[in-house]
Amino acid sequence: ETGVTQSPTHLIKTRGQQVTLRCSSQSGHNTVSWYQQALGQGPQFIFQYYREEENGRGNFPPRFSGLQFPNYSSELNVNALELDDSALYLCASSLASGRNTYNEQFFGPGTRLTVL
Amino acid sequence: AQSVTQLDSQVPVFEEAPVELRCNYSSSVSVYLFWYVQYPNQGLQLLLKYLSGSTLVESINGFEAEFNKSQTSFHLRKPSVHISDTAEYFCAVSASGGSYIPTFGRGTSLIVHP
Repeated sequence: ETGVTQSPTHLIKTRGQQVTLRCSSQSGHNTVSWYQQALGQGPQFIFQYYREEENGRGNFPPRFSGLQFPNYSSELNVNALELDDSALYLCASSLASGRNTYNEQFFGPGTRLTVL
Repeated sequence: AQSVTQLDSQVPVFEEAPVELRCNYSSSVSVYLFWYVQYPNQGLQLLLKYLSGSTLVESINGFEAEFNKSQTSFHLRKPSVHISDTAEYFCAVSASGGSYIPTFGRGTSLIVHP
């Protein structure tokens, strides 16, 4: 069974650019959540996708957008990058039996984004 | 909305000593509570969780946490730590009965010295 994988591992961008981060869910999982973890902080919830539809969003501006594909892999897109977007971006997948059910999340190793 | 306070940013301890990592939460509704561990350059791993039932929950590697509703706490304990327990520990809370979207604390760095 393959765990959650994320690509790339590291990424350096300049302010104003756009970035796409990718996540492959654990086999059989239908839900993906994205988190931003700034240095020295806990992860902050960005949004969640359940069966290709957004199923909750945290306090992030619209320039943070996402997508979940039919195979349940996912992308996180960030437009107009700012210096404060520098962080570790974590993806977590889970198998949900419905929109409002507890399901254990399995985290990937993250993508370290540096914005210069 | 929920919030989590981890009172200690760093906890140094000697190997084989006991340790307690403190976590307090705030919520106006019933909650689920979690502890995650993050080793260097890795993602988070679920250590243990409280959803309902017994207020004392245990992990397979000797950690335990007790849900105390009156004190709104979920402290993590281990009677004897190992060097390999050195990691960042995050407490998280979510509202029960809704979609599981956790709010994390800032983390506590457990440093085990030989």
